[in-house]
Amino acid sequence: DTEVTQTPKHLVMGMTNKKSLKCEQHMGHRAMYWYKQKAKKPPELMFVYSYEKLSINESVPSRFSPECPNSSLLNLHLHALQPEDSALYLCASSQDMGLNEQFFGPGTRLTVL
Amino acid sequence: RKEVEQDPGPFNVPEGATVAFNCTYSNSASQSFFWYRQDCRKEPKLLMSVYSSGNEDGRFTAQLNRASQYISLLIRDSKLSDSATYLCVVNRGSGGGADGLTFGKGTHLIIQP
Repeated sequence: DTEVTQTPKHLVMGMTNKKSLKCEQHMGHRAMYWYKQKAKKPPELMFVYSYEKLSINESVPSRFSPECPNSSLLNLHLHALQPEDSALYLCASSQDMGLNEQFFGPGTRLTVL
Repeated sequence: RKEVEQDPGPFNVPEGATVAFNCTYSNSASQSFFWYRQDCRKEPKLLMSVYSSGNEDGRFTAQLNRASQYISLLIRDSKLSDSATYLCVVNRGSGGGADGLTFGKGTHLIIQP
């Protein structure tokens, strides 16, 4: 199994909703990442987890809350989002050593109304 | 100076031609270098890692010049399926294993029949 899966593929939510994005990998990777990508822009790093511990938070607003329940799973909890948070949210994983090649999931396309 | 700089294109190239992309990066602490390709509304996919000695994978050749902080990608005998956005990517040089990636804005390539 060499893929990263993400659910849901699409999500529409209101500004008062609470929702969660899920990411899973079974490659034995020990590092997992959340990126945000706006249209016609490159992905931007949000969070890095290494060995299930948060190691990098790129000053992301607290309305985004990451969670790593185990080495295969990564969640992103969303609460009180703004319309400008609408974007493609990408999860990635890597072995956490060496060249740090990262493999991306298909993303969740989020629309905040 | 932007962290990772690429010519956005578009590059319109006839099928079978050779095309080269260049990229410069500003962070001298970066140790890992990659080319990813991204198709419209899809996730970035790793094309190849870039080594100091240069590396080749079929029709694709990547080069790294650390002194000039410059990365290149050469595509020979281009195919219609090579049409995509090519992202120059470097690690952030945060130290340790897990590290976020910094993406260039991408170069849009269109192969014409």
